[in-house]
Amino acid sequence: EVQLVESGGGLVQPGRSLRLSCSASGFTFSSYAIYWVRQAPGKGLEYVSVISSNGGSTYYADSVKGRFTISRDNSKNTLYLQMSSLRAEDTALYYCAKDDISGIYPDYWGQGTLVTVSS
Amino acid sequence: SYELTQPPSVSVSPGQTARITCSGDALPKKYAYWYQQKSGQAPVLVIYEDSKRPSGIPERFSGSSSGTMATLTISGAQVEDEADYYCYSTDSSGNRVFGTGTKVTVL
Repeated sequence: EVQLVESGGGLVQPGRSLRLSCSASGFTFSSYAIYWVRQAPGKGLEYVSVISSNGGSTYYADSVKGRFTISRDNSKNTLYLQMSSLRAEDTALYYCAKDDISGIYPDYWGQGTLVTVSS
Repeated sequence: SYELTQPPSVSVSPGQTARITCSGDALPKKYAYWYQQKSGQAPVLVIYEDSKRPSGIPERFSGSSSGTMATLTISGAQVEDEADYYCYSTDSSGNRVFGTGTKVTVL
């Protein structure tokens, strides 16, 4: 069974940094691209970033480009999202999601970790 | 930036048919995908590549696409289908985007 478990969320002040993790199991982690998707309270889904299976290619939404860095450690079956220069509008539930193998869309999602940016 | 537009809400009586639309300029050349998100839960894929249904998704869920509009249809809607639904696709440059979301009420 595919399992994705996010962690690392919490309350952080504007301008500070935070690193999220996503631990994966139930599939061959190193064979799949993985996404970060976020959802602000009461709002819709927003694509944040995706990383290729070997980590060689990364893509970001314009809203986080230059502030967020996605990475992965295939030896640990773990995905990361390093978030810096955080803003109030980054407050959201952050999901990691596994690609279906096509590199186009996510098929399985974790339960999310909440990031709150506030002074 | 690329946008996928959905109606904010759709209401349907149990057993009736609900149709949720998703409008986007790149849809004639790009697949649409649909996710169901029940309250307090993570999204679940219900349709991929316009009209394919993942295993475990009830047959009452179907998808279609024509021109700049994709449609998710729930035939014989059940109370448990009440949820938010999001379309998803890419633009001509490969940028990924979710639709604005539609709240489906079954009552």
